[in-house]
Amino acid sequence: SYELTQPPSVSVSPGQTARITCSGDALPKKYAYWYQQKSGQAPVLVIYEDSKRPSGIPERFSGSSSGTMATLTISGAQVEDEADYYCYSTDSSGKGVFGGGTKLTVL
Amino acid sequence: EVQLVQSGAEVKKPGESLKISCKGSGYSFTSYWIGWVRQMPGKGLEWMGIIYPGDSDTRYSPSFQGQVTISADKSISTAYLQWSSLKASDTAMYYCASGVGFDYWGQGTLVTVSS
Repeated sequence: SYELTQPPSVSVSPGQTARITCSGDALPKKYAYWYQQKSGQAPVLVIYEDSKRPSGIPERFSGSSSGTMATLTISGAQVEDEADYYCYSTDSSGKGVFGGGTKLTVL
Repeated sequence: EVQLVQSGAEVKKPGESLKISCKGSGYSFTSYWIGWVRQMPGKGLEWMGIIYPGDSDTRYSPSFQGQVTISADKSISTAYLQWSSLKASDTAMYYCASGVGFDYWGQGTLVTVSS
């Protein structure tokens, strides 16, 4: 079955740039989406269709995709950005899959 | 305001059946896919399947095919996730999500299966 691979953890200091990657064979043809999940809360969409930012999401969140890798970039990470981040995409039949998640630590 | 409101927490015994719900409001319920997502304790998000309420087209993850049933009643803007025989391993938080790229999420339904 189709898989998306993320690093288990990323750590940065406040104000630094955090980059979280997501690799998958179908990403050249399928959009990537990114979700932020803070402890005890439902996920929140932060990037859709590779690089679009929903209203209300801070400009420091951006996304890109090239070849088989999508990247979520948080420019000037804040302490409040500490959370689990999940990428999401679909396979050729339209079935969805989440990456394993990346725990972002900002300290 | 778009809302997805899920039914409340459930405590069940192994072998029992269960149907949880997700009611949409504030948007065209029949125009967007609704998905179900499992999150086991301390674990990541797992895509279970989706349904298009407009025509009930349903797709399942291979991991959940045959294990659960996803349905929807467009007359009351509600999607469902059901089990015919629960296992202890079904203990998890279950979320529904909808919209473009799943930009709207329910609050989650905690299902606990224990003897």
